[in-house]
Amino acid sequence: QVQLAQSGAEVKNPGASVKLSCKAFGYKLSSFNLYWLRQAPGQRPEWVGRINVEYVETKYGERFQGRVTITADTSTNTAYMEMSGLTSEDTAKYYCARMGVAAFDVWGQGTLVTVSS
Amino acid sequence: QSALTQPASESGSPGQSITISCTGTTNDIGGSDYVSWYQQHPDQAPKLILYDVTKRPSGVSGRFSGSKAGNTASLTISGLQAEDEADYYCCSFTTTTTPWVFGGGTKLTVL
Repeated sequence: QVQLAQSGAEVKNPGASVKLSCKAFGYKLSSFNLYWLRQAPGQRPEWVGRINVEYVETKYGERFQGRVTITADTSTNTAYMEMSGLTSEDTAKYYCARMGVAAFDVWGQGTLVTVSS
Repeated sequence: QSALTQPASESGSPGQSITISCTGTTNDIGGSDYVSWYQQHPDQAPKLILYDVTKRPSGVSGRFSGSKAGNTASLTISGLQAEDEADYYCCSFTTTTTPWVFGGGTKLTVL
């Protein structure tokens, strides 16, 4: 069964970094682009960035450039997203999602990241 | 990035049909057939219900249908059921620096 399993909730202080994981089951990460999106409470999903594992190519949203890094480990079929310089505005649920035929066809369960002092 | 515009809320009675609109620009909906719709129940991840404007993934009810005219896409749910009560988001490919943009979401209430 195709699914994405994400790591557990995180609580961070302002200025800290966080690294989230997303493990794919039922397909190879290298076969599809893998996106990271986030959704603040009551808000729409927002694109953070994506990775093409086959070509080791990444692209990031303009507002996240310079403080987000997306990587992947093909040996464990796992993608990672690391975000630095966290502020309270980064408090949100972070999702990884597979880009199928021009749509996000498989989603992880989400990881809640709370930034608070 | 500018969000696509959706009504904040819609409602309908069981058995009725409702339509949710999603308005963008020529940089997104008007210039792309890559429009998708997602259903999100509370505390759950979004679920793909339509892609390429009108196509349904395997397992999605035929009560969900989509269309597009100009810069506006629409999701129609026929034969409303209690389980359809959820938030619905549209999404479009864009020709701007942000490749994908979502609508603000519509909260559907089944009366």
